[in-house]
Amino acid sequence: AQSVAQPEDQVNVAEGNPLTVKCTYSVSGNPYLFWYVQYPNRGLQFLLKYITGDNLVKGSYGFEAEFNKSQTSFHLKKPSALVSDSALYFCAVRDYAGGGNKLTFGTGTQLKVEL
Amino acid sequence: AAGVIQSPRHLIKEKRETATLKCYPIPRHDTVYWYQQGPGQDPQFLISFYEKMQSDKGSIPDRFSAQQFSDYHSELNMSSLELGDSALYFCASSLGPKSQETQYFGPGTRLLVL
Repeated sequence: AQSVAQPEDQVNVAEGNPLTVKCTYSVSGNPYLFWYVQYPNRGLQFLLKYITGDNLVKGSYGFEAEFNKSQTSFHLKKPSALVSDSALYFCAVRDYAGGGNKLTFGTGTQLKVEL
Repeated sequence: AAGVIQSPRHLIKEKRETATLKCYPIPRHDTVYWYQQGPGQDPQFLISFYEKMQSDKGSIPDRFSAQQFSDYHSELNMSSLELGDSALYFCASSLGPKSQETQYFGPGTRLLVL
């Protein structure tokens, strides 16, 4: 089965500094990877995805992610963090084994951006 | 842009009662997914539909059933509710069931079972 791991429960960063939220994956076949963000009492908002092509994927709100096949990683990055970026971030992989198409999520990383 | 609509947004039920959650996908989206997110947990896939047919099944209890209607909206029916069913239930939709397609999530229905 496809899976993703987010090794950090929480990441703290100062506003204006670059941020990285880590994600590693384990898949058989082509990896289809996604990042979502969840604000308190809100749904999951899509940020970006990697399907194929360029390893650097650009998404919403200035976020980007780098797909690294040799390290099986798909880290989320932003050059300059904002306090409003504080939220819960989920990495997810499309699990299409057996013809299915569900998303399997990581455990989430709480990002806290401080002034 | 239109988003996924879920109703109700909040629901309080007693144990052993039934509940029905509704999901209206983004216009033209024909694939619907249901996820359950317990407190402090990641979302867990329950079930999905494409063109009114079940396309995938996850850890959905036998007490739950779901269907997709001709207008592509979906309903999740939950019977004999248990305390452990208290969770945030998300619906997502996509334009087709292919793995490359993005799933867009609704705001969720927060179910509390007392």
